[in-house]
Amino acid sequence: DVKVTQSSRYLVKRTGEKVFLECVQDMDHENMFWYRQDPGLGLRLIYFSYDVKMKEKGDIPEGYSVSREKKERFSLILESASTNQTSMYLCASSPAGKAGNTIYFGEGSWLTVV
Amino acid sequence: GQQLNQSPQSMFIQEGEDVSMNCTSSSIFNTWLWYKQDPGEGPVLLIALYKAGELTSNGRLTAQFGITRKDSFLNISASIPSDVGIYFCAGQAEVQGAQKLVFGQGTRLTINP
Repeated sequence: DVKVTQSSRYLVKRTGEKVFLECVQDMDHENMFWYRQDPGLGLRLIYFSYDVKMKEKGDIPEGYSVSREKKERFSLILESASTNQTSMYLCASSPAGKAGNTIYFGEGSWLTVV
Repeated sequence: GQQLNQSPQSMFIQEGEDVSMNCTSSSIFNTWLWYKQDPGEGPVLLIALYKAGELTSNGRLTAQFGITRKDSFLNISASIPSDVGIYFCAGQAEVQGAQKLVFGQGTRLTINP
């Protein structure tokens, strides 16, 4: 069974803290994605990676960075968390050259910044 | 960037009723997809549409890829309690050599038994 695992389901962080959200996939997928989900706004792409050590900005990269040192792992980093980054974060993966019909999502990480 | 307008944003219906939701865009997409997100879970693919005009069913779900390639709808017939969740449309297009997904805002479905 395919699996995208987000290690932290619920986090509460203080303003200014550095936050790491970790994602691991076991499907040997080349592509990995980080989305942010907010009510009324749907899913918005923050960053994606199509290979190890490669990264591309999505639609809302400001305030975020990513790291992909190993094929199976894609980390989202908030260098200095702010309250407007309180949200649900979804990680996803897909095989090379494909997206919509072969993309698999993790269960999500709920981040609250106080 | 590209945007999808999904409506309605929320629906409150009685069990057994039919449901209809749609997505429109100013951009053309080569694939339309519909996902469902159960509470506390990530989205899961329901239906994928690959050709303009295509009508596809998956059990009680029916979706269509609009002729103009700028819209799609999803219908759910005879709703049941497990249909509760958030439904997302997504358009897929090639942007600078990469396949990019753009998601709608979501439709939250609530069912009264």
